[in-house]
Amino acid sequence: DVKVTQSSRYLVKRTGEKVFLECVQDMDHENMFWYRQDPGLGLRLIYFSYDVKMKEKGDIPEGYSVSREKKERFSLILESASTNQTSMYLCATSGRGPEKLFFGSGTQLSVL
Amino acid sequence: AQSVTQLGSHVSVSEGALVLLRCNYSSSVPPYLFWYVQYPNQGLQLLLKYTSAATLVKGINGFEAEFKKSETSFHLTKPSAHMSDAAEYFCASELNRDDKIIFGKGTRLHILP
Repeated sequence: DVKVTQSSRYLVKRTGEKVFLECVQDMDHENMFWYRQDPGLGLRLIYFSYDVKMKEKGDIPEGYSVSREKKERFSLILESASTNQTSMYLCATSGRGPEKLFFGSGTQLSVL
Repeated sequence: AQSVTQLGSHVSVSEGALVLLRCNYSSSVPPYLFWYVQYPNQGLQLLLKYTSAATLVKGINGFEAEFKKSETSFHLTKPSAHMSDAAEYFCASELNRDDKIIFGKGTRLHILP
């Protein structure tokens, strides 16, 4: 069974902290994505990666960075967390071509 | 800017009535298009996808969608709503066929008894 694992289901951090959100997939997929989901705003793409060490900005990359050192792992980094980054963060993967996304269970991040 | 637009953040239909959820896209090339559903406290599940084969696409749970290039639309329909269809529905697109997938803001479907 396909699996996309996000390291934490709930996370509480303080303003200014550096935050790492980890995502690991076991499907050998090339593409990996980070979205944030907020009520009324749907899913907004933060960053995506189509290969190891490759990254592309999505629609809202400000305040975030990513790392993809290995094919199976895609990390989202909040360099200095702010309260407006409180959100549900979803990692997703897909193969090449118009394939469906496989989602992790999400990390609900609260920045206080 | 290229985008995916869902008309109506909330839609209410009576049980047994037609479901119509609207999605329009803006793209310079024919896109790949998807509909996902999210039930309360669950992850996103693919309903159906359009990848430039047949313009009428059938999905799971009796849903279907039609790609209309002239209208830049990909509306989701179901002939007869069921209470279990209450959920949030997201239209998504790979607008430039470049593996980048973006989503609309979602439409919450309410089913009235």
